[in-house]
Amino acid sequence: AQSVAQPEDQVNVAEGNPLTVKCTYSVSGNPYLFWYVQYPNRGLQFLLKYITGDNLVKGSYGFEAEFNKSQTSFHLKKPSALVSDSALYFCAVRDPRNSGNTPLVFGKGTRLSVIA
Amino acid sequence: NAGVTQTPKFQVLKTGQSMTLQCAQDMNHNSMYWYRQDPGMGLRLIYYSASEGTTDKGEVPNGYNVSRLNKREFSLRLESAAPSQTSVYFCASSEALPAGGVSYEQYFGPGTRLTVT
Repeated sequence: AQSVAQPEDQVNVAEGNPLTVKCTYSVSGNPYLFWYVQYPNRGLQFLLKYITGDNLVKGSYGFEAEFNKSQTSFHLKKPSALVSDSALYFCAVRDPRNSGNTPLVFGKGTRLSVIA
Repeated sequence: NAGVTQTPKFQVLKTGQSMTLQCAQDMNHNSMYWYRQDPGMGLRLIYYSASEGTTDKGEVPNGYNVSRLNKREFSLRLESAAPSQTSVYFCASSEALPAGGVSYEQYFGPGTRLTVT
């Protein structure tokens, strides 16, 4: 069965510092991996995805994520955090070998707080 | 384009009452989904519809029913609401389900905040 874990409920970072939000996954084969962001009282917004190819994926708002197969990780990063990046971040995964073509499985979310 | 719209935005029900949450998308997407979001639990899939005319159970379908009315609309019904169904409900859509080496991102509505007393 596919699953995804976000080991940190909360991440605090100072504005201007680099940020990392961690995600690890568990699937049988090569995964499809996604990051979404949720601002207060809003729905989730797509940030980026990894399907195949280059392990470093660039997405919206200056975010990027690195797929690491040996560590089964897909950490979200940004070189310089902004206060406006403060939000709830979700990692999601799907095993493409799942013959049922089921939707994504989401992690529990990590709340990012960027302090001015 | 409005994207994914949901009505109502807020609702308070008494235990045992019924209601239907409405969702519509204008992106001509084939697949639609209903999730609930609870603190510390992330998003959990209730039901999904791979295409018009089909629906399937997700992780937490008990107490809910769905109708894919047409390609645009996917409704979620609570027949007899319970306090455990107090949650924020999100509808989402995507071009299709993942298949054949392609996985499309999902687009989410703004959510419905439901309280059952």
